[in-house]
Amino acid sequence: QQQVKQSPQSLIVQKGGISIINCAYENTAFDYFPWYQQFPGKGPALLIAIRPDVSEKKEGRFTISFNKSAKQFSLHIMDSQPGDSATYFCAASKTGGGGADGLTFGKGTHLIIQP
Amino acid sequence: NAGVMQNPRHLVRRRGQEARLRCSPMKGHSHVYWYRQLPEEGLKFMVYLQKENIIDESGMPKERFSAEFPKEGPSILRIQQVVRGDSAAYFCASSRTSGRNTGELFFGEGSRLTVL
Repeated sequence: QQQVKQSPQSLIVQKGGISIINCAYENTAFDYFPWYQQFPGKGPALLIAIRPDVSEKKEGRFTISFNKSAKQFSLHIMDSQPGDSATYFCAASKTGGGGADGLTFGKGTHLIIQP
Repeated sequence: NAGVMQNPRHLVRRRGQEARLRCSPMKGHSHVYWYRQLPEEGLKFMVYLQKENIIDESGMPKERFSAEFPKEGPSILRIQQVVRGDSAAYFCASSRTSGRNTGELFFGEGSRLTVL
């Protein structure tokens, strides 16, 4: 059972365009939703994260939009640059109460920004 | 301030051999997580450890896999009698708190296991 579904699997965007990656989750107990960026041969690095008490969080060119009722969240990359080409993973976890603290990841989106 | 350190970065084993992967968490972090990443797949949670304790091993295969995080030294993920299906990238992550407070995990660069 896949608890976090991510789409699209791959995405090609022109330089300067907006990249949008979507995720949906099933477990309503999740209360922490990070996005990780991974370059080939490297480990995932935290990009931006959101908690369900806000509907949007922006850091530079990166914005997370969160829809609690729909159990969906998305990453928007404004003014996409070739250096943004990487694999992006959404994730979710439950940070309060009992249970596992490990993140549940989506399957990833391969993003290519064309010059 | 060194990040999460994993070694070896690359490991080649023949079927039936043992693989040992090591992870030193970031300074000040006492919580370690192991994830496995297959090609074109996301990261799958394997195990969560604190010093000398396994907190959650729900993602670990029941046989051949084990993990430890001793009082002194790095965390070790051990795979006995490796098979070709074990070929993957294994990532270690650490957090300062239990993750219950911040949820933020810091990842190492991974150990890539190839089983011939």
